[in-house]
Amino acid sequence: AQKITQTQPGMFVQEKEAVTLDCTYDTSDPSYGLFWYKQPSSGEMIFLIYQGSYDQQNATEGRYSLNFQKARKSANLVISASQLGDSAMYFCAMRMPGSTSYGKLTFGQGTILTVHP
Amino acid sequence: SAVISQKPSRDICQRGTSLTIQCQVDSQVTMMFWYRQQPGQSLTLIATANQGSEATYESGFVIDKFPISRPNLTFSTLTVSNMSPEDSSIYLCSVLRGRDGYTFGSGTRLTVV
Repeated sequence: AQKITQTQPGMFVQEKEAVTLDCTYDTSDPSYGLFWYKQPSSGEMIFLIYQGSYDQQNATEGRYSLNFQKARKSANLVISASQLGDSAMYFCAMRMPGSTSYGKLTFGQGTILTVHP
Repeated sequence: SAVISQKPSRDICQRGTSLTIQCQVDSQVTMMFWYRQQPGQSLTLIATANQGSEATYESGFVIDKFPISRPNLTFSTLTVSNMSPEDSSIYLCSVLRGRDGYTFGSGTRLTVV
């Protein structure tokens, strides 16, 4: 069965510093997609970045980059130059492969990031 | 990407009653998903709603408790029936738009007293 693991319940970072949020996954299917979402205290889910299993390059979106290590089944999110507004819950998620499951997302447990001034 | 209007944004309900949550998408989409997020927890998929067919429920969720309607390609509702305090959660709808285009509604924060 597919599984997503985020082992860091909470992380702290100083403003303007970089931080890495860990995510490992487990699937036997060669085709999958990995996502990172930010959830502020308001509860909305904000899409940050996407990595496809066949993508050759690591994904980047502004201050967000994804350190994709396929052999190790890890997809860590790197946030550069942290800002106070980055304080939120961060979820890693995997799109489940397969014709009957396509489109479903499986989420990790989440990491609460706190940015200190 | 798609814009989703989800209503209500929050509600406080008495146990034993039902609440219907609505999601309106600004364009036609094939697949809509309903998630539950219990306090301090991650998101768990309740069901997948396709237009013109019965919703597909995940293990642990049943139609009698969470009936879903999908009358057209832009609208869906989730009803939380016979509520108990354990149903207090954030409920979110989501749609798939392209390779990386998952969009979520703003969520419904439900408190059952």
